[in-house]
Amino acid sequence: AQKVTQAQTEISVVEKEDVTLDCVYETRDTTYYLFWYKQPPSGELVFLIRRNSFDEQNEISGRYSWNFQKSTSSFNFTITASQVVDSAVYFCALSDEGAQKLVFGQGTRLTINP
Amino acid sequence: SQTIHQWPATLVQPVGSPLSLECTVEGTSNPNLYWYRQAAGRGLQLLFYSVGIGQISSEVPQNLSASRPQDRQFILSSKKLLLSDSGFYLCAWTRGQGSSYEQYFGPGTRLTVT
Repeated sequence: AQKVTQAQTEISVVEKEDVTLDCVYETRDTTYYLFWYKQPPSGELVFLIRRNSFDEQNEISGRYSWNFQKSTSSFNFTITASQVVDSAVYFCALSDEGAQKLVFGQGTRLTINP
Repeated sequence: SQTIHQWPATLVQPVGSPLSLECTVEGTSNPNLYWYRQAAGRGLQLLFYSVGIGQISSEVPQNLSASRPQDRQFILSSKKLLLSDSGFYLCAWTRGQGSSYEQYFGPGTRLTVT
């Protein structure tokens, strides 16, 4: 069965600190897809990234970076030089090939203090 | 470009009253459609999904139902609301052919049952 674990329920850091959000997943499939979403206080989930299981290359987008390691079944998300606007709940999600739905983790509430 | 709409944005309903939430998608055809509920401070719970007109899959047995009368319209209903139905309801879409593609979310409806 598929499962996504975000062990960090809440994280609070001071602005400009780097912060890493952990995501560990479980699946028996060899082909699968991983996602990160951001939910700001407004409530709407914003898609951040999609990564397939055959692409272990790390991704960087501005201050955001993602580290995918199949050996540890992890897909961690790092924000460099955090800003107050990064405050949100972040969700990691998993989908197997051909599945019609995503499995979400419970989310990590990130608070960036000025 | 694709756009997803949800209405109403906010709703306060008494216990025992009916419910109808609507979601429509523009700019795409044959999408997969999803209804999620998020209780306060909690993760996302998938309620229903649909891969085509009239095709509904239920994830959680409860007093809610869903319908898809048109390709890009997804409706969430209840005949009699319970206090436990309060929450934030999110609609999402993805390109067909499974969830290997990312889901895009609407702005949500905040429902309070009194």
